[in-house]
Amino acid sequence: EMQLLESGGGGLVQPGGSLRLSCAASGFTFSTYAMSWVRQAPRKGLEWVSGISGSGDKIYYTDSIKGRFTISRDNSKNTLYLQMDSLRAEDTAVYYCAKDWNGLDYWGQGTLVTVSS
Amino acid sequence: DIQMTQSPPSLSASVGDRVTITCRASHDISIWLAWYQQKPEKAPKSLIYAATSLQSGVPSRFSGSISGTDFTLTITSLQPEDFATYYCQQYNSYPRTFGQGTKLEIK
Repeated sequence: EMQLLESGGGGLVQPGGSLRLSCAASGFTFSTYAMSWVRQAPRKGLEWVSGISGSGDKIYYTDSIKGRFTISRDNSKNTLYLQMDSLRAEDTAVYYCAKDWNGLDYWGQGTLVTVSS
Repeated sequence: DIQMTQSPPSLSASVGDRVTITCRASHDISIWLAWYQQKPEKAPKSLIYAATSLQSGVPSRFSGSISGTDFTLTITSLQPEDFATYYCQQYNSYPRTFGQGTKLEIK
């Protein structure tokens, strides 16, 4: 059974701080598929944040996080990462990882990132 | 960036009704449009990809259509479990972009 399990959120981080999210994948050949991070601020819609190819050689970001967030993957560990630096209050959201095939065909359950002083 | 304009923002309907939700792309995205359903406090679920193809396990009362840069999600014979928020998303190019969402509520 396919599974995506995010971790790394759940606490409070101060503005300007850093956090690394992880997404552990199982049930499919991880290295074959591109992956994405999508976030959802409280009571707001979905926002695509970043994507990475299966091999990791192609990386994409939305403008609002360029230079602050870094996506990466370790195919030997079947894990996707999102390093978030210089965090702002407006980065507060539930962050989902998703398998990027035929749209985003499978999603994790999400992890909450709260940026506040 | 490609903008996705989704309408209506909200919709009231009854069980058994037929509803349509539309999405317009600001540029040509060919068929590369997906639809998602999200229930409160849950992750989105993929319903349709490539504008008209149903994801495995999705009931056949859901369907998608395309006319140029206009895309439509249709739900026939609404069931109680269909009341949720629906999003479109283009995946023709990066950055991927979502529509603003349509909240489908029980009348």
